[in-house]
Amino acid sequence: AQSVTQLGSHVSVSEGALVLLRCNYSSSVPPYLFWYVQYPNQGLQLLLKYTTGATLVKGINGFEAEFKKSETSFHLTKPSAHMSDAAEYFCAVTGRDDKIIFGKGTRLHILP
Amino acid sequence: DGGITQSPKYLFRKEGQNVTLSCEQNLNHDAMYWYRQDPGQGLRLIYYSQIVNDFQKGDIAEGYSVSREKKESFPLTVTSAQKNPTAFYLCASAPEGGFSGELFFGEGSRLTVL
Repeated sequence: AQSVTQLGSHVSVSEGALVLLRCNYSSSVPPYLFWYVQYPNQGLQLLLKYTTGATLVKGINGFEAEFKKSETSFHLTKPSAHMSDAAEYFCAVTGRDDKIIFGKGTRLHILP
Repeated sequence: DGGITQSPKYLFRKEGQNVTLSCEQNLNHDAMYWYRQDPGQGLRLIYYSQIVNDFQKGDIAEGYSVSREKKESFPLTVTSAQKNPTAFYLCASAPEGGFSGELFFGEGSRLTVL
C-alpha cells in the first residue's frame, strides 16, 4: 500500500526566494511519484514525475524534485518564486499497478 | 483540441435531489476517474473505470453511482443518499489503463446543495 504526507498545508515565500514544498511517501514497491499543481477553480495539471532512472526530475515552470529513496522523500523546489506560482500543490504516489494516492495539498502563497 | 470536458461548472440543487455530472474525453484514454475535493482533504477517489462497461468503487463510493457505456464518457450521479454532497468534483483520465499514474484532469464541477 502507498501513502503520501505533505508537510505544511500553507507555505509563504517572498517573490524571488527559494520555494521548497515537502513530500514524504510510503510504498511497499518501487514507487512512481508525481507533483501536480492546481490553480483556483481549475483541475490539476502535472508538474513533473519520477518513474525510474535519474533521481533529479525537472518539470514545467522551472520546478524540479529529487527522489531520495533513503529519506522516502520527493520534495519540490524552485530557485526563485514568481507571483504566478501561487497555487495549491499536490504530491502523489502510485505503486504502478495500483491507484494513485494524493497528499492533502500545500497552498503556496507568494509575498510581494 | 484534446482534453476532458466537465459540465456543468457550477450546479445548485436542493437537498434530496439526484444530480448527474458529465465528463467527456477525446484523448482516447482507457481509464477514467472521479475524485471529490474538499478544503484541506486533498483528492478522494469516488469511482474509477479502466475499460468500457466496467468500473470499480473507490474510497468514498457510498451515495454515488457511475456508468461507462462509451469510452469517451463517464458520468457521475450524486444521489440523495450522499450525506454531504457539497464539494468540488474532478474527473480525470489516463492512458494505459491508468498504470502509468499520470492523470489528465478536467476543470471540475462545483456542486452546492441548498
